[in-house]
Amino acid sequence: DAGVTQSPTHLIKTRGQQVTLRCSPKSGHDTVSWYQQALGQGPQFIFQYYEEEERQRGNFPDRFSGHQFPNYSSELNVNALLLGDSALYLCASRRAPNTGELFFGEGSRLTVL
Amino acid sequence: GEDVEQSLFLSVREGDSSVINCTYTDSSSTYLYWYKQEPGAGLQLLTYIFSNMDMKQDQRLTVLLNKKDKHLSLRIADTQTGDSAIYFCAEIAYTGTASKLTFGTGTRLQVTL
Repeated sequence: DAGVTQSPTHLIKTRGQQVTLRCSPKSGHDTVSWYQQALGQGPQFIFQYYEEEERQRGNFPDRFSGHQFPNYSSELNVNALLLGDSALYLCASRRAPNTGELFFGEGSRLTVL
Repeated sequence: GEDVEQSLFLSVREGDSSVINCTYTDSSSTYLYWYKQEPGAGLQLLTYIFSNMDMKQDQRLTVLLNKKDKHLSLRIADTQTGDSAIYFCAEIAYTGTASKLTFGTGTRLQVTL
């Protein structure tokens, strides 16, 4: 079991560019959430996808968007990148309904110059 | 709203027990989580406890839950240098069938020889 996998692991972008991050959930999981972790802080919830729909959204601007595919994998897109978007982006997966097991991937570290 | 608080730093000697404390605010949380994060890595699920339990033990880890005081603790027995990391407490909140985790700022555990 590969667990939650994310790609790319590291990437560097410049201000104003767009980025797409990818996540494959743990086998058997159908619900994917994205979190942003700035340096020295705890992760902050961006949004959650289930059945290919955004089910809940945190306090993030519309520049942050996502998608879930029929195979349960997910993408996070960020447009018009700002310096403050530099962070570790974490994907988490679980099965619905929640049985408690909620696993994270290793994250994608985004640096915006 | 949800808020999770943790102390920032804990230093223990190798072989001693470590106790990391956390307070949370959402009394409706069904699960409470402990995650471990090593430098440059993602979040590793250590353990979780269902809200109708007072205690959960898993090898060297013991979780205690005091629902009245909304206090959660993680005890690590026989602490090893490999336990040095940041430990995050998190509570889960539901909006309908959707859910999100709210994390504390993390407790940095330093294990000395």
